[in-house]
Amino acid sequence: GESVGLHLPTLSVQEGDNSIINCAYSNSASDYFIWYKQESGKGPQFIIDIRSNMDKRQGQRVTVLLNKTVKHLSLQIAATQPGDSAVYFCAETLRNSGNTPLVFGKGTRLSVIA
Amino acid sequence: ETGVTQTPRHLVMGMTNKKSLKCEQHLGHNAMYWYKQSAKKPLELMFVYSLEERVENNSVPSRFSPECPNSSHLFLHLHTLQPEDSALYLCASSQDFKYGYTFGSGTRLTVV
Repeated sequence: GESVGLHLPTLSVQEGDNSIINCAYSNSASDYFIWYKQESGKGPQFIIDIRSNMDKRQGQRVTVLLNKTVKHLSLQIAATQPGDSAVYFCAETLRNSGNTPLVFGKGTRLSVIA
Repeated sequence: ETGVTQTPRHLVMGMTNKKSLKCEQHLGHNAMYWYKQSAKKPLELMFVYSLEERVENNSVPSRFSPECPNSSHLFLHLHTLQPEDSALYLCASSQDFKYGYTFGSGTRLTVV
């Protein structure tokens, strides 16, 4: 039969509004988290990271929030622009436990409406 | 450019062909990775090399054969692939495993 495409969660946001992308991570022992952005035709690019001893970290127009109690990570993008349209992935790992590769989430597709 | 270069960008191959994907990193990193990204599944870790030694092989079929001749180069040798192997193959590198990965732009592989 014909292949079915992966149906990613999609968030549509009006240009200029704020975006919030959520991620539930799997391992309560994970101590380092990263958000990646993947534009069409490109590989994932690092946006921002956060360690488990923090609950909030801000970058340029982006903020990551970490809630370890419910294993939840969110990425907030202020004043969303058309160039923010992409798939966003969260990733987790244990930095202090030897060689543990990143584990990626399924991703959320952000569409910015001009 | 991210500092991780993958070639070719696009590849179409028959099921009986043998081809290789190349990845080169100019970041001085000591770990390199192959990921598969397909329409059916998100990023799947295939192989991990640390200091040129393979440290992880996630039950990948033997028709995929990685090679890491030095810390800057990583290859993925392909032979007798199946149509379901069609995907975007991404290479990444990092310093140890403690920091974020830098990805290349990927090779879009189509098996016909």
